[in-house]
Amino acid sequence: EAQVTQNPRYLITVTGKKLTVTCSQNMNHEYMSWYRQDPGLGLRQIYYSMNVEVTDKGDVPEGYKVSRKEKRNFPLILESPSPNQTSLYFCASSFKGANQPQHFGDGTRLSIL
Amino acid sequence: AQKITQTQPGMFVQEKEAVTLDCTYDTSDQSYGLFWYKQPSSGEMIFLIYQGSYDEQNATEGRYSLNFQKARKSANLVISASQLGDSAMYFCAMIIRGGGSNYKLTFGKGTLLTVNP
Repeated sequence: EAQVTQNPRYLITVTGKKLTVTCSQNMNHEYMSWYRQDPGLGLRQIYYSMNVEVTDKGDVPEGYKVSRKEKRNFPLILESPSPNQTSLYFCASSFKGANQPQHFGDGTRLSIL
Repeated sequence: AQKITQTQPGMFVQEKEAVTLDCTYDTSDQSYGLFWYKQPSSGEMIFLIYQGSYDEQNATEGRYSLNFQKARKSANLVISASQLGDSAMYFCAMIIRGGGSNYKLTFGKGTLLTVNP
């Protein structure tokens, strides 16, 4: 089954404790992206990647890191999480092209205390 | 900068009736793509339908159709024969084709649709 898999689905942690949210897709998509969704602010892009070893900042990259060592994986790293990073996070992937629908993972709900 | 506006924070519809969810967009680009996504209360984001700016015919996918009026910069989603399972948040989104290598989706604030039995 074609899908984007995020883990974990839910996480409650404390300020400063490094965490990684994994994202994996099995559709051979070149393009991958991370978004966060917050009430009143909608979905905002954090980072994106056009291909292996090619990543770039989105609109709200502060406090986050990403890597793309393999085509299928695009982990989101919070080196020192803070409460303002409490949010619902989505990983998305697609083929290259603005006419390609992005397929989303089921979301990761992070709470930073 | 591009912008998506969804003016209906919430909509109600009776089961089996049709409903239209409004979306207007603002861009100076001629080449762009418009998408609708559904987000149920469980949280996942589900792709519904796509319309390209150069597509002459309105897109349709099963019970979903997109009423695309380019001159008015509107891309309304029409759901025919509503079902209880259609109750969800619906997002209109856009990608600018000339936006370099970043196919960033710009989302509207969403419309919460409730289907009543």
